[in-house]
Amino acid sequence: ETGVTQSPTHLIKTRGQQVTLRCSSQSGHNTVSWYQQALGQGPQFIFQYYREEENGRGNFPPRFSGLQFPNYSSELNVNALELDDSALYLCASNSRVGRTDTQYFGPGTRLTVL
Amino acid sequence: QQQVKQSPQSLIVQKGGISIINCAYENTAFDYFPWYQQFPGKGPALLIAIRPDVSEKKEGRFTISFNKSAKQFSLHIMDSQPGDSATYFCAATTGNQFYFGTGTSLTVIP
Repeated sequence: ETGVTQSPTHLIKTRGQQVTLRCSSQSGHNTVSWYQQALGQGPQFIFQYYREEENGRGNFPPRFSGLQFPNYSSELNVNALELDDSALYLCASNSRVGRTDTQYFGPGTRLTVL
Repeated sequence: QQQVKQSPQSLIVQKGGISIINCAYENTAFDYFPWYQQFPGKGPALLIAIRPDVSEKKEGRFTISFNKSAKQFSLHIMDSQPGDSATYFCAATTGNQFYFGTGTSLTVIP
């Protein structure tokens, strides 16, 4: 186990709704990244937070937003849900040793948009 | 645009055989190349990783071969076991950006 937890496990929403996904990072890790993994695809980088500030963003629209809290837990918010947002959402907490970032992934939240 | 290209999409290997998964990249700024193993319903788990200043890294039955000039790297699983059946992702990173391949579904037949 990586020590990274996510909630909820599964979620069903309808198009146009808003959703909040939560992640609890591994203890001591102050960096968290969020990924979208569509069925049969590799994870796609959404954004990263470091010490409560956004620290890099992939090719996702502004309706994907996030927060990181002082205890390093974080949230992914998605507004105006679209059918294509159906995917597994993964968070990963980063451990940096020297110049190497190692990512520890949570089990993911499976979002279905109807 | 896919930053990291991975092949094959699926692979079936007999128990005890060698599984080989290949990846290629274009961006020479990538400086760290991890491989992840993912079981159904789980998040990806780091398996083994390599830096481009090394041509090979071995950990147990898992070996990464890295060809910097060709911008290619591969994962070799020796003595493949049914428990190795999973989806494998290669990745390439620069700074805080991780780019994943599309995954290889490995099935090891007993």
